Amino acid sequence: QKEVEQNSGPLSVPEGAIASLNCTYSDRGSQSFFWYRQYSGKSPELIMSIYSNGDKEDGRFTAQLNKASQYVSLLIRDSQPSDSATYLCAVATDNDMRFGAGTRLTVKP
Amino acid sequence: SAVISQKPSRDICQRGTSLTIQCQVDSQVTMMFWYRQQPGQSLTLIATANQGSEATYESGFVIDKFPISRPNLTFSTLTVSNMSPEDSSIYLCSVETPGRDTQYFGPGTRLTVL
Repeated sequence: QKEVEQNSGPLSVPEGAIASLNCTYSDRGSQSFFWYRQYSGKSPELIMSIYSNGDKEDGRFTAQLNKASQYVSLLIRDSQPSDSATYLCAVATDNDMRFGAGTRLTVKP
Repeated sequence: SAVISQKPSRDICQRGTSLTIQCQVDSQVTMMFWYRQQPGQSLTLIATANQGSEATYESGFVIDKFPISRPNLTFSTLTVSNMSPEDSSIYLCSVETPGRDTQYFGPGTRLTVL
């Protein structure tokens, strides 16, 4: 049973649109939640972290967390072609961190 | 965030040989991790390397195949032993910096086994 689930995509949005990436997790003891961006051929890069219910905004990125529904999402506003990448959701407990399989996002000019 | 380097960045190896990958961090960290990422796949944790103790391996990974050293708080190595083409992958080290519960990744080592 997968512990962190993401839609593998590909998700395609036009330039300037909002891209919405979703992630669900199974461990109710999860405390910390992260989004990583991975460009093709590169290593994952941390872009957002969120620890409490609600929204957290950083520039064009907004992370949303709902612990009751065991759901975390990432919104990318005004999407740019440079946002085209695979986005990995990561969920951490006291003991470890688990990664989702990633959602491939393509932003078309 | 920590600055992490890995050597080599890529290598092509023959079946049956071994390759040692180095991971160097610019600051002292307690937790270091080794991952494998096969093409188009997500990250698979191989083991957690703590300084001064044996590495902790995940299910499906064994010390004889993936021996790990962690001689100090800024350095670790992963050896891929007796390689087969199935070991072709990107190997990534990551660190958890003190006071933060997230991981930062090195640039990765792209291994091809012929």
